[in-house]
Amino acid sequence: DAGITQSPRHKVTETGTPVTLRCHQTENHRYMYWYRQDPGHGLRLIHYSYGVKDTDKGEVSDGYSVSRSKTEDFLLTLESATSSQTSVYFCAISPGTSGGEDTQYFGPGTRLTVL
Amino acid sequence: KNEVEQSPQNLTAQEGEFITINCSYSVGISALHWLQQHPGGGIVSLFMLSSGKKKHGRLIATINIQEKHSSLHITASHPRDSAVYICAVTAGGSQGNLIFGKGTKLSVKP
Repeated sequence: DAGITQSPRHKVTETGTPVTLRCHQTENHRYMYWYRQDPGHGLRLIHYSYGVKDTDKGEVSDGYSVSRSKTEDFLLTLESATSSQTSVYFCAISPGTSGGEDTQYFGPGTRLTVL
Repeated sequence: KNEVEQSPQNLTAQEGEFITINCSYSVGISALHWLQQHPGGGIVSLFMLSSGKKKHGRLIATINIQEKHSSLHITASHPRDSAVYICAVTAGGSQGNLIFGKGTKLSVKP
């Protein structure tokens, strides 16, 4: 299994509070992705990174920001959490040998509830 | 219309049956992925393919680029195959960004 962890695994927070989710990898993979999974919508891309300090937006980026200051860590921040951001968040990594078009390896997920 | 459509949404089978899950897509792709998600949430990549056919154990994935269609077959199904199977595509030049189908929930009864 690819070495990829997410923290926290579960979080309950209140509307308006800031939240940061962490994805950590030990594979030295170049690409990292944040997805959210919601019933009826499936998985959707929030943000991705193609290298240290190189990030870009995905389909559902509003309300989220990311940072990648080192290869192994990709942080997802909800500046002011809203109930619509209640979801399960998955991080994924890929080697980047084919411009990112490789197999992706997923973390275990973080279940976030915003009350 | 979703760019990636899967059918059926739900599928119940008896142990030992041959199972087919279908995926159609409407965008140009560089690769198609099949993923498996067990209850409890973990997502595992089963296949990535851009042409032809791949086989791993009892799982077979095929793709027809001209028809924009892929199938995932499970031979001799087993209750441990019960999971959600997700089709996803990588649009060409998208830096690996995946567009996902909504998944097919498979339940295999003993």
